[in-house]
Amino acid sequence: NAGVTQTPKFQVLKTGQSMTLQCAQDMNHEYMSWYRQDPGMGLRLIHYSVGAGITDQGEVPNGYNVSRSTTEDFPLRLLSAAPSQTSVYFCASSSGGNTIYFGEGSWLTVV
Amino acid sequence: SQKIEQNSEALNIQEGKTATLTCNYTNYSPAYLQWYRQDPGRGPVFLLLIRENEKEKRKERLKVTFDTTLKQSLFHITASQPADSATYLCALPRASSASKIIFGSGTRLSIRP
Repeated sequence: NAGVTQTPKFQVLKTGQSMTLQCAQDMNHEYMSWYRQDPGMGLRLIHYSVGAGITDQGEVPNGYNVSRSTTEDFPLRLLSAAPSQTSVYFCASSSGGNTIYFGEGSWLTVV
Repeated sequence: SQKIEQNSEALNIQEGKTATLTCNYTNYSPAYLQWYRQDPGRGPVFLLLIRENEKEKRKERLKVTFDTTLKQSLFHITASQPADSATYLCALPRASSASKIIFGSGTRLSIRP
């Protein structure tokens, strides 16, 4: 049981480039979400999903896209990276109203 | 608007003492509240969940209280140890959508020997 797996762990992007952060969970959880964490600002919700084919915006969705074609996978796409998107990104999953399991994080730097 | 506030950015206490962390929320009536621990460079790890009809919950040296009148949760670590040093986060579901889980900014706890 791997839990929540995120890749890549570290990434450096140039402004304007696009990329996808991958997230997979093997716990058959319906709920998945993406957070970003910046110093002094805690975890901020970017997008979330309550099941395959269903996604919704969180608090800071601009500049990010998500899709949920399967229960297991919830990739986060940066369409045109900006320096303001330099952050640590966490993918999470849960069975709803219960424990949230987090991945180990993806450190993204946009130069 | 709905807000979550954790009492301070950092808390520094002596080993063996009880650490008390505070989580306040406004304009909420959450069905439950959660506490997580986060170590540097790692993802948060779940510690405890307390529901609105529960006043107190315990797990080993951890105790959480939930006062829905004061809109506050207190997180206690008794007999604190240097290994308890970490950042502690509280989290609640949004009133507008129970699927949206919002986190406080965290309190960094340091236990000195």
